[in-house]
Amino acid sequence: ETGVTQSPTHLIKTRGQQVTLRCSSQSGHNTVSWYQQALGQGPQFIFQYYREEENGRGNFPPRFSGLQFPNYSSELNVNALELDDSALYLCASSLDWQEPYNEQFFGPGTRLTVL
Amino acid sequence: AQRVTQPEKLLSVFKGAPVELKCNYSYSGSPELFWYVQYSRQRLQLLLRHISRESIKGFTADLNKGETSFHLKKPFAQEEDSAMYYCSIGSRLTFGEGTQLTVNP
Repeated sequence: ETGVTQSPTHLIKTRGQQVTLRCSSQSGHNTVSWYQQALGQGPQFIFQYYREEENGRGNFPPRFSGLQFPNYSSELNVNALELDDSALYLCASSLDWQEPYNEQFFGPGTRLTVL
Repeated sequence: AQRVTQPEKLLSVFKGAPVELKCNYSYSGSPELFWYVQYSRQRLQLLLRHISRESIKGFTADLNKGETSFHLKKPFAQEEDSAMYYCSIGSRLTFGEGTQLTVNP
């Protein structure tokens, strides 16, 4: 069983551009969550997808959007990039968010720098 | 809104000393509480969860609903315990800011 993978590892964009980050969940995991981790901070919940539908969203504007595909892959899209979007973006997959205390398995993250 | 507070950003102890990483939370209802750990150059991973009530790598954490705390403890710290520790809550995890634990030889 392979772990959660993310691509790319690093990315540099300029303000106003759009970016797509990708995640491949563990096989059989129906739930994927995305987190933003600014330097020196704990991860912040962006949104969660369950069986290809958005299933909860944190305090992030609509320019942060996502997709989840049947093949256990998912995307995080950010439009109109701002300097404050510079952060490590983590994806985490889990079997089923409805299971109490379900463990989330994290990817290594994508480091996004906005200039 | 749920919230997690880890009051210590940095904690340094000597090998063999007891260690306690503090975590306080605010949550309405019955909280699902976790400790996640990130060792150097590794990804974030689950250390333990409140429901399991077991010791993982010598660590335990007790939920105190009266004090809304979920402190992580280990009686004898080891150098390999040096890492960033995050307390978190919920099925859509809310994390604290983390405590960087350093265990000195």
